[in-house]
Amino acid sequence: AQSVTQLGSHVSVSEGALVLLRCNYSSSVPPYLFWYVQYPNQGLQLLLKYTTGATLVKGINGFEAEFKKSETSFHLTKPSAHMSDAAEYFCAVRHSGSARQLTFGSGTQLTVLP
Amino acid sequence: ETGVTQSPTHLIKTRGQQVTLRCSSQSGHNTVSWYQQALGQGPQFIFQYYREEENGRGNFPPRFSGLQFPNYSSELNVNALELDDSALYLCASSPTGQSNYGYTFGSGTRLTVV
Repeated sequence: AQSVTQLGSHVSVSEGALVLLRCNYSSSVPPYLFWYVQYPNQGLQLLLKYTTGATLVKGINGFEAEFKKSETSFHLTKPSAHMSDAAEYFCAVRHSGSARQLTFGSGTQLTVLP
Repeated sequence: ETGVTQSPTHLIKTRGQQVTLRCSSQSGHNTVSWYQQALGQGPQFIFQYYREEENGRGNFPPRFSGLQFPNYSSELNVNALELDDSALYLCASSPTGQSNYGYTFGSGTRLTVV
């Protein structure tokens, strides 16, 4: 069964600092991995995804993530935080069954300090 | 192209009542999934519909049921509401045949059970 663990339920960074949000996965098959962002009172917006191929994935708003099979990790990074990045971030792994549903981590709330 | 739309945006119901939530999938998407997101948690998969049939189900009791219509829109029905059913209900759509596609989420319906 697939699962996701997000380390750190709350992360605070200063504006302009590096953003690093951690995600580790467990999967019995090659995983499809996703990062979503959720702004207050809104749904989920896809930031980026890893399916196959290049292990460094670039997404929207300057975010990127690197798939590391040896570490079972898919950490999300952004070189320079912006105030508008403050939101909740969810890592997810997609199941391989017929429904291909997503299993989400518990989320990381990112605060950006001025 | 239109995204995923959900209605209503907010709803208050009394324990024991029944509720119906609605979702219109993104144009060209024929698969619809429903997720429940309790406060402070990641979304949890309820079920998925494809070709008007349930295609997969998470760990939710039978009082959670759904429908998909020929135009791919969908309904989530919850009977005998309990206080713990209070959550954000998210609908997500995807196109069949694109195995590496993520999901497009709606903004959700906030259900409060009192």
